[in-house]
Amino acid sequence: KNQVEQSPQSLIILEGKNCTLQCNYTVSPFSNLRWYKQDTGRGPVSLTIMTFSENTKSNGRYTATLDADTKQSSLHITASQLSDSASYICVVSRSGDYKLSFGAGTTVTVRA
Amino acid sequence: GAVVSQHPSRVICKSGTSVKIECRSLDFQATTMFWYRQFPKQSLMLMATSNEGSKATYEQGVEKDKFLINHASLTLSTLTVTSAHPEDSSFYICSARDLGQGNTIYFGEGSWLTVV
Repeated sequence: KNQVEQSPQSLIILEGKNCTLQCNYTVSPFSNLRWYKQDTGRGPVSLTIMTFSENTKSNGRYTATLDADTKQSSLHITASQLSDSASYICVVSRSGDYKLSFGAGTTVTVRA
Repeated sequence: GAVVSQHPSRVICKSGTSVKIECRSLDFQATTMFWYRQFPKQSLMLMATSNEGSKATYEQGVEKDKFLINHASLTLSTLTVTSAHPEDSSFYICSARDLGQGNTIYFGEGSWLTVV
């Protein structure tokens, strides 16, 4: 079973609206959690990275939260734009060997 | 700008031939680089971990003789797909870990391989 589960698998939102993506993980021991944006046919680009002690981190219209106790994270996109259409991947790093576990991603489609 | 460069971005090769993909860290030294494979609408699958100056560590199910990895310097890792077949057609992505930036992982832009 994958150690990083993302939901929903995909979603469609109207331009200007907000949305929230979820990431649950079982990776242990925990080092950090990263959110990446991947456009089709491109490499992933880092949005945020959070360690155990960080609860929230923002990058422009992207805000990530982390609850290390429940092992849950969310990525909130505010005032979505057409360029936000992409796959968003949650990646959790294990402490010690820094092994990365990838979620399957959430595909976001923003429509005008 | 990009801190990890992959080349080529797209390549088409004939069945039975070999093709090499390069991954370079531009602004930092990377003792560890990673190679992934990604099928359409699926997540990245780690193929192997490339360690500078030593043999790569392959994930279970990945043929090391088919996917040759060389990490000859602190800024360059190469993936060679040997005797390529159409089923090897995929999107290959590398990443590199920057120890000087809190273990930040930077990804390359990816390489589309089509075997005909």
